[in-house]
Formats: sequence, C-alpha cells, structure tokens
Amino acid sequence: AQSVTQPDIHITVSEGASLELRCNYSYGATPYLFWYVQSPGQGLQLLLKYFSGDTLVQGIKGFEAEFKRSQSSFNLRKPSVHWSDAAEYFCAVAPSGNTPLVFGKGTRLSVIA
Amino acid sequence: NAGVTQTPKFRVLKTGQSMTLLCAQDMNHEYMYWYRQDPGMGLRLIHYSVGEGTTAKGEVPDGYNVSRLKKQNFLLGLESAAPSQTSVYFCASTPGTEIAKNIQYFGAGTRLSVL
Repeated sequence: AQSVTQPDIHITVSEGASLELRCNYSYGATPYLFWYVQSPGQGLQLLLKYFSGDTLVQGIKGFEAEFKRSQSSFNLRKPSVHWSDAAEYFCAVAPSGNTPLVFGKGTRLSVIA
Repeated sequence: NAGVTQTPKFRVLKTGQSMTLLCAQDMNHEYMYWYRQDPGMGLRLIHYSVGEGTTAKGEVPDGYNVSRLKKQNFLLGLESAAPSQTSVYFCASTPGTEIAKNIQYFGAGTRLSVL
C-alpha cells in the first residue's frame, strides 16, 4: 500500500526566510501528488498538485513544489515566508484517477519575526 | 458559493450516545469522503462514496456507518460513541471525472468530543 512520509513534524522559520517542507512517498508508479494547507480551525485548501509533465509546479500563495522521481519526493518550497503562512501543511498522494488520497501526518509551520 | 458544508461544527457527546454528521455539497460531485484528523496522525479515511447509493470502507471504518441516499449529501453515523472517536471530522468531495484528477474540496470540519 502506498504511504506518505513527512519527516518534519514542526518547523520554525523567520519571516522572510526561505522554506522547504519535505515529502516522500512509496509507490511503484508516479502517483498524483498534492500539497494542502490547513490554517488553525479551518479546513484544507489545495496549494498545488502534480499529475505529469513539468516536474516543477507552481501553486497559490507563492508556493512551488518539485517532483523528483529518483528520490520519490515532492518537496514544497517558498522563497520568502510571510507570517500568514503559519499553518499545517499536508502532502497527499493517490495512485491515479479517483482512488482515495493518502495523507502524510503533516508539518506544522511556525513563523517568527 | 457554499461548496462543502458540514453540520454541526461542534458537538459534545456522552459515551454510548449516537449522532449523525451531515456533509452537503452543491457542486454536483460524484465522489465524497469522510476523514478524521487526530494530532500527529494526519487525515485518515473513514468511508467514502463513488456515487449515490454506494459506499466503501476506508482505513479506519470501525464504529462508523455512512449513507449516500442523495448525491449531494453524505452522512456519517456514530451508533454508540466512544472516547476514541473524539476527533475533528472532515468531509471532502471531488467531481470523479478524469479531468478533475482527484482534486478534493474540503468542508470546515466538525469538532467532536466524546466524554
């Protein structure tokens, strides 16, 4: 069965600093890959997704992610973090089509001044 | 533009009580999902539905039942609540078409405490 690993439970960055959140998955083929963000007390919002093609994908709020097949990774990046980016971030995968998503356990991002 | 609406937003139950959580979507989506979110566990799939009248078990289905009598509604039932079911419950939906590629839209969640 496919699984998703987010190695970092909690990350703290300074406002204006760059950010990289890690995500690794285990699945034989290239799955559909997603990053979602959850602000405190809110539901999940889609940041970006990868299905095929260009391995660097752009999302909302200035986020981007790079798919690396050789490393089975889909890391999320942002060049300059804003205080409003403080939230929990979830990586998710689906083998294909409309099979249910499998979520990682999440990475909580704190932003300090 | 409602999207996915969950009712209620908060609820406190006593052990053994029953309740039903309602998820309603107005986007004509075929697929609907119920997840639970627990600290440090991420989201885990409870049950899902690929169309009106169909349901299937997810990763953690025990203690829950679901029904999809109408396309727009997906109900999650707890017949006899247990403290282990204290959690935040999220509903999600997706069109179910190849073009949509499993992009899921989430409700705001229901916070349930079982005492």
